[in-house]
Amino acid sequence: DGGITQSPKYLFRKEGQNVTLSCEQNLNHDAMYWYRQDPGQGLRLIYYSQIVNDFQKGDIAEGYSVSREKKESFPLTVTSAQKNPTAFYLCASSMGSNFNQPQHFGDGTRLSIL
Amino acid sequence: GEDVEQSLFLSVREGDSSVINCTYTDSSSTYLYWYKQEPGAGLQLLTYIFSNMDMKQDQRLTVLLNKKDKHLSLRIADTQTGDSAIYFCAESSGGYQKVTFGIGTKLQVIP
Repeated sequence: DGGITQSPKYLFRKEGQNVTLSCEQNLNHDAMYWYRQDPGQGLRLIYYSQIVNDFQKGDIAEGYSVSREKKESFPLTVTSAQKNPTAFYLCASSMGSNFNQPQHFGDGTRLSIL
Repeated sequence: GEDVEQSLFLSVREGDSSVINCTYTDSSSTYLYWYKQEPGAGLQLLTYIFSNMDMKQDQRLTVLLNKKDKHLSLRIADTQTGDSAIYFCAESSGGYQKVTFGIGTKLQVIP
């Protein structure tokens, strides 16, 4: 089945540690996105990529990094510089390289601090 | 900047209709979306509407758009317990303008 796969579902980070969240899609979508969801808040855009080997910062990029070496994959690294990383992270993708097309979401990764 | 507002909570009885409301501020909004999120899951696209439309119907779902008042609503007919979830309204001005999401309305369906 076509879709977006995020892994792991749950992730724990120790102080000073970088962790990487995986996002893979087999929908042949050009654009991919990472959002952070906190309780009582809407989704906030961390990074987005409209095409392979290119990505842009969203509204809250500090403390995060991404890469887009393949069309299917858009991993997100939460670095030790992100002081409040506990949140639900959602990956999305859309057809086309602009924001017109509806975004389709994975099932999320919940990140917690040990 | 752009803003999307929704009420936080709605409770309805099973079998009744639910109406979830949303207002937005960006007058250039071109695309408006409704997503559903069940506990511990991602967002599922329910439906979307272009700003040149007033209404869109898809089975039990009806979307109404009042562009003058910048008001969007989602009506769910014959609401079922499986409809219990958080519903997000979102808008985009199109092109390379990002999508702005509301904070979500939690729908509780009482059996």
